[in-house]
Amino acid sequence: GQSLEQPSEVTAVEGAIVQINCTYQTSGFYGLSWYQQHDGGAPTFLSYNALDGLEETGRFSSFLSRSDSYGYLLLQELQMKDSASYFCAVRGPGGKLIFGQGTELSVKP
Amino acid sequence: DGGITQSPKYLFRKEGQNVTLSCEQNLNHDAMYWYRQDPGQGLRLIYYSQIVNDFQKGDIAEGYSVSREKKESFPLTVTSAQKNPTAFYLCASTPGRYGYTFGSGTRLTVV
Repeated sequence: GQSLEQPSEVTAVEGAIVQINCTYQTSGFYGLSWYQQHDGGAPTFLSYNALDGLEETGRFSSFLSRSDSYGYLLLQELQMKDSASYFCAVRGPGGKLIFGQGTELSVKP
Repeated sequence: DGGITQSPKYLFRKEGQNVTLSCEQNLNHDAMYWYRQDPGQGLRLIYYSQIVNDFQKGDIAEGYSVSREKKESFPLTVTSAQKNPTAFYLCASTPGRYGYTFGSGTRLTVV
């Protein structure tokens, strides 16, 4: 089966950098994705890593180490609007995504 | 603009009643998915479909049913067999490798 672990909550101040970690166990690995969900809204796709290394998209970066079954999402220059839940997800057979429980990020002024 | 439309946004179900949640996409995506989200929780997969007229059970399919008669449409029926249906239901689609697009969700409440 597949399972993912990520911290339940993280707090940081505006302008800071925060890292949200994700470890996974999967019977077949096809990539690690990150999604953002604001309260009551739909998740939106942030990034995808299929290979080891860092992917950068503006203020957000995502890292993957397949040998360690580990990845993280790095958010720089935090803004108040970044307060949301962040989910890591692994893609399994059939293209289905299995999501972690989510990390609630609170950005303080 | 392309996207996924879920309706209704809010739905109230009486005990013992079946209800159907609509999901329509105009993205020309082959694969579609239904997820359930409970407060403070992650998303759990109910059903998914990779092509028309074919679908597979996810992790929590009991008490739910789906159909995929058209590429654009993937409705979810919450049957009376689902004993705890109050949740936020999300429909998603993807063209293939990554990057799910989600609808805005349907919030179902049992009254």
